[in-house]
Amino acid sequence: DQQVKQNSPSLSVQEGRISILNCDYTNSMFDYFLWYKKYPAEGPTFLISISSIKDKNEDGRFTVFLNKSAKHLSLHIVPSQPGDSAVYFCAASAEGTSYGKLTFGQGTILTVHP
Amino acid sequence: DSGVTQTPKHLITATGQRVTLRCSPRSGDLSVYWYQQSLDQGLQFLIQYYNGEERAKGNILERFSAQQFPDLHSELNLSSLELGDSALYFCASSVEGWGGSNGYTFGSGTRLTVV
Repeated sequence: DQQVKQNSPSLSVQEGRISILNCDYTNSMFDYFLWYKKYPAEGPTFLISISSIKDKNEDGRFTVFLNKSAKHLSLHIVPSQPGDSAVYFCAASAEGTSYGKLTFGQGTILTVHP
Repeated sequence: DSGVTQTPKHLITATGQRVTLRCSPRSGDLSVYWYQQSLDQGLQFLIQYYNGEERAKGNILERFSAQQFPDLHSELNLSSLELGDSALYFCASSVEGWGGSNGYTFGSGTRLTVV
């Protein structure tokens, strides 16, 4: 049972344009969401998070949007840079920020072309 | 360098064998988490320890066990290995017994190949 789904295995974007990565979830108990970025041969690195009481959180070039009614979140990267090329994972928790366990999606490979 | 150290980086072993993966958390972090990433899969939560005690458990197989030692390093023991256990195993750590708004910090993983 895949409770967190990233339906796009890959995304290709031109440098300077917007990258939009999507994530859907099925568990209505999820109340905290995170995005991680992963480069080859490295562990995932935390990028940005959002609580279910918000619908948007912004940090520099990265913005996460949450649509609770649709059980959908997205990560926007503007402008995209070649260094953003990586695998992006969304993750969810049912315990707010007091989580131990995170449920991850399968990841989306983002390629930003110069 | 994230500060979370995992050894070894690579491990190749035969079916039926037993291996031990080691994780040293970031200095000051009390909580350790273990995740498994199989091919084309997201990271699957295995188990969490906080200050030496088991805090949360995921879909960890009975053939797998873990512990956290007084110096806070953790070991994940995998026994009676099967081909399907081939995966990347990640360790992560956090200061508190939970992740918090800044996530938790992952190590670079151990790639286990069972032949």
